[in-house]
Amino acid sequence: SQTIHQWPATLVQPVGSPLSLECTVEGTSNPNLYWYRQAAGRGLQLLFYSVGIGQISSEVPQNLSASRPQDRQFILSSKKLLLSDSGFYLCAWSISTGVPGELFFGEGSRLTVL
Amino acid sequence: AQKVTQAQTEISVVEKEDVTLDCVYETRDTTYYLFWYKQPPSGELVFLIRRNSFDEQNEISGRYSWNFQKSTSSFNFTITASQVVDSAVYFCALSSGGYNKLIFGAGTRLAVHP
Repeated sequence: SQTIHQWPATLVQPVGSPLSLECTVEGTSNPNLYWYRQAAGRGLQLLFYSVGIGQISSEVPQNLSASRPQDRQFILSSKKLLLSDSGFYLCAWSISTGVPGELFFGEGSRLTVL
Repeated sequence: AQKVTQAQTEISVVEKEDVTLDCVYETRDTTYYLFWYKQPPSGELVFLIRRNSFDEQNEISGRYSWNFQKSTSSFNFTITASQVVDSAVYFCALSSGGYNKLIFGAGTRLAVHP
């Protein structure tokens, strides 16, 4: 069966520090991968998606970047965090072919920038 | 432009009451998909249902039912005889335009009290 993991689960970082959140998927090949952010009391905003290794599409201009160095690995990064980067970050995957299906979400990473 | 509106920010009910969560969407596409997800306190999103734009039949799954009406661009979710375990944030989402990118509403926080 397929599983998705992301870490760390909780992170407190000072403004200006770097960030790296990792997400890995097991049990499937060539998935579509996504990073969403959920700000406090708000809905989920799609930040990045990837349909293959090295292929990253950004949905909103921001201070963050994403990379996909391996088929089932998706990394969210920042060189210098801003206060506004605080939030709950969710990684998700879906099958890459056929009818749009459900997204499978990871456990989430809660980032607090101080 | 695609958009999902969940006008109800928070709903509070007493156990065994029926409750309906509203969802209104906007899209210019003729083919699209609608979803409902549940986010319990643990944070991980759980898929509940997917409905395509050509299937307006209502669906019932246990205590859950969904009412899809294209004429009003609505996809409402009803929980019958609510239980404390139904307490969560519920998100409505829209997928259109490829790559299975979901556009989420702001979510409705449901609190079911004993």
